[in-house]
Amino acid sequence: EIVLTQSPGTLSLSPGERATLSCRASQSVSSTYLAWHQQKPGQAPRLLIYGASSRATGIPDRFSGSGSGTDFTLTISRLEPEDFTVYYCQHYGSSPFTFGGGTKVEIK
Amino acid sequence: EVQLVESGGGLVQPGRSLRLSCTGSGFTFGDYAMSWVRQAPGKGLEWVGFIRSNSYGGTTESAASVKDRFSISRDDSKSIAYLLMNSLKTEDTAVYYCARRTVADYWGQGTLVTVSS
Repeated sequence: EIVLTQSPGTLSLSPGERATLSCRASQSVSSTYLAWHQQKPGQAPRLLIYGASSRATGIPDRFSGSGSGTDFTLTISRLEPEDFTVYYCQHYGSSPFTFGGGTKVEIK
Repeated sequence: EVQLVESGGGLVQPGRSLRLSCTGSGFTFGDYAMSWVRQAPGKGLEWVGFIRSNSYGGTTESAASVKDRFSISRDDSKSIAYLLMNSLKTEDTAVYYCARRTVADYWGQGTLVTVSS
C-alpha cells in the first residue's frame, strides 16, 4: 500500500499570501494518478487537481499542482478567504488507493 | 448537472448489516466506475473501494480494512451503486461518501453511519 504523507499538518498564513502544500509518497506514484481535494467544514470534498497538475472543472487558476515520482505539491498563489480549509492528496493508480492525512490552511 | 445522492445511513448495532445506496443523475451512470470513501468523526478521508463499469467487467477493489465484510455492487438500470456492510464494528462509524470515478471528480453529500449498541 502506498502511504501518502502530507506536510505541514497545519499552515498558518494571511489572505493574499502563497500557500505551498506537500504530499510525499512511500513509493513512486504515476503522475497520471495523483489528485488533490479540498474539503470545507460540513461539506463533501471537491476535486481540485487531477493527474498531478490538471485543474478540475471550475477551479480557479490560483490553484496549481506539480511534482512527480514521490513528491507532489499543491500551490495556492494568493489565498482568498474561502481557501482557508483542509486539503487532501490522493493516489488512484493501483489498488489500494489512499489519501494523505490532510493539511489544514488556517488564517494567521 | 452531475449529482450523487447517498442514502441508507443510520444507527446500527455492532455485528449487524447495513446497505447504502448511491443514486447518480446528470450523466450516463453505466459508463463510469463508482467509488466509496468514508470519514470518521473529526478524521481524514479513507478510501473504502470502487466498482468498475461493466465495460471493464464490473469488478471491485476494496481496502484491506473492509475487504472481508463490505461489498460493492451496481444496478445501472437504476443508476445506483450499493455498499453492503456486514459485521459492522464501532470503528466503522463514519460519513460514507460515494464519488464518480476512481479520481472522485464528483462527490455525494454523504450519509452518516453510526455503529453503537
